[in-house]
Amino acid sequence: SQQGEEDPQALSIQEGENATMNCSYKTSINNLQWYRQNSGRGLVHLILIRSNEREKHSGRLRVTLDTSKKSSSLLITASRAADTASYFCATDLTSGTYKYIFGTGTRLKVLA
Amino acid sequence: NAGVMQNPRHLVRRRGQEARLRCSPMKGHSHVYWYRQLPEEGLKFMVYLQKENIIDESGMPKERFSAEFPKEGPSILRIQQVVRGDSAAYFCASSPFMGTDSNTEAFFGQGTRLTVV
Repeated sequence: SQQGEEDPQALSIQEGENATMNCSYKTSINNLQWYRQNSGRGLVHLILIRSNEREKHSGRLRVTLDTSKKSSSLLITASRAADTASYFCATDLTSGTYKYIFGTGTRLKVLA
Repeated sequence: NAGVMQNPRHLVRRRGQEARLRCSPMKGHSHVYWYRQLPEEGLKFMVYLQKENIIDESGMPKERFSAEFPKEGPSILRIQQVVRGDSAAYFCASSPFMGTDSNTEAFFGQGTRLTVV
């Protein structure tokens, strides 16, 4: 099964609300990354959090990492219609090899 | 500094034909990764290459699929005798060599959408 699994699979919220997505993984990691993918497009890197970090911020994004629970969350505050996309977490399993394992994604829809 | 360039963006092939997908990594990046994304699914790792070397091809189907990253030129993902099930988006990513420091992001191309008819 997938190393990273996001939940929920789909999320629909109103503009201005916060969106929280979760990612769980199975084995030890060096880092965890979140990506966004607009429909039919490539992936855009959002944020990287190292295994020794617990929280990281970037603009309206907040990522937490709990290595004891093997889970991460992505919070988007004050969501906008332009945030509508699929969001994936990716984990790097082995140092120096950059073999990223992706989850199945959360499809976020922000309604104007 | 141009990003990761993939071409073509869209490729249509009839069953039994060959598909060749190209990926030019970012300047200065010596690591290339190929991923496949089926509709409504996440990205599945296929192969990881460095210049002239295949490092990890554990995600590649054993038959009909091959990848290379020559000393000069782009990385090529080749699919021979395509079948309908090969229809997917194929993404390439690249990253720089950072020694043993794996804490760096991979930069993705826009993908090649292969349709087998």
